[in-house]
Amino acid sequence: GDSVTQMEGPVTLSEEAFLTINCTYTATGYPSLFWYVQYPGEGLQLLLKATKADDKGSNKGFEATYRKETTSFHLEKGSVQVSDSAVYFCALSDQAGTALIFGKGTTLSVSS
Amino acid sequence: DADVTQTPRNRITKTGKRIMLECSQTKGHDRMYWYRQDPGLGLRLIYYSFDVKDINKGEISDGYSVSRQAQAKFSLSLESAIPNQTALYFCATGGGAGEKLFFGSGTQLSVL
Repeated sequence: GDSVTQMEGPVTLSEEAFLTINCTYTATGYPSLFWYVQYPGEGLQLLLKATKADDKGSNKGFEATYRKETTSFHLEKGSVQVSDSAVYFCALSDQAGTALIFGKGTTLSVSS
Repeated sequence: DADVTQTPRNRITKTGKRIMLECSQTKGHDRMYWYRQDPGLGLRLIYYSFDVKDINKGEISDGYSVSRQAQAKFSLSLESAIPNQTALYFCATGGGAGEKLFFGSGTQLSVL
C-alpha cells in the first residue's frame, strides 16, 4: 500500500542554519504531496503542497520539490528561526483520494 | 472561532469506560476524519466520512465507533476503553481528494 518515510529526529539546529528533512514515498499513480507542521499544543496545519511532478511548494521560507524519479519530497529552509521549532509531517493523498497518509513526523528544535 | 473544534481537550478515564470525543467544523466541508497520534508512529486513520450517510473504517478502527450526526459533526466513541488507546486524537475536515485538511487542536486521552 501507499506509505511515507521521513527521516527520524529529533533534528537540532542553531538559528540561521540550513534545514533539510528527507521524505520519500511509495505510491501507485500520482499522489499529491504535503508537508504539515504541528506547533506545541496545536493541531496540524498545512505548510505546503505539490500536486504533480516537478512542482515546487513553498511557504514561510520553506520549500519542497515533487521528485517523481526519486519518489521524494524533501523539505528545506535556508535559515531556520527559533519559531520554526515544531514537528513536521510529510504526507500523501492515497490513490483513491480517500485520506492523507502521514509519515511518523520529525521533531525540529532550533536554539538561539 | 476555530474552524474545527474538538471537545474535550483532555480526558482521563478508566479501563472499561465508554467515552465519546466530539468534533464540529464550520468549514462547510463534507469530508471528516478521525486520526490518532502516538509518539514515533505519526498519525493513523481511524475512521472517515464523506457525508452523513457514508462512514468508512480506516487503518485502525478496531475498538472504535463513530457517528456522523450532521454535516458539521462527527463524534468518535470508545465503547470500552483500554490503556493502549491512550493517545492524542485529532479530528479533521477537508474539501475533496488531494485537498488540504483542517485539523482541530486535538484531544489528549489517557486510559488508566
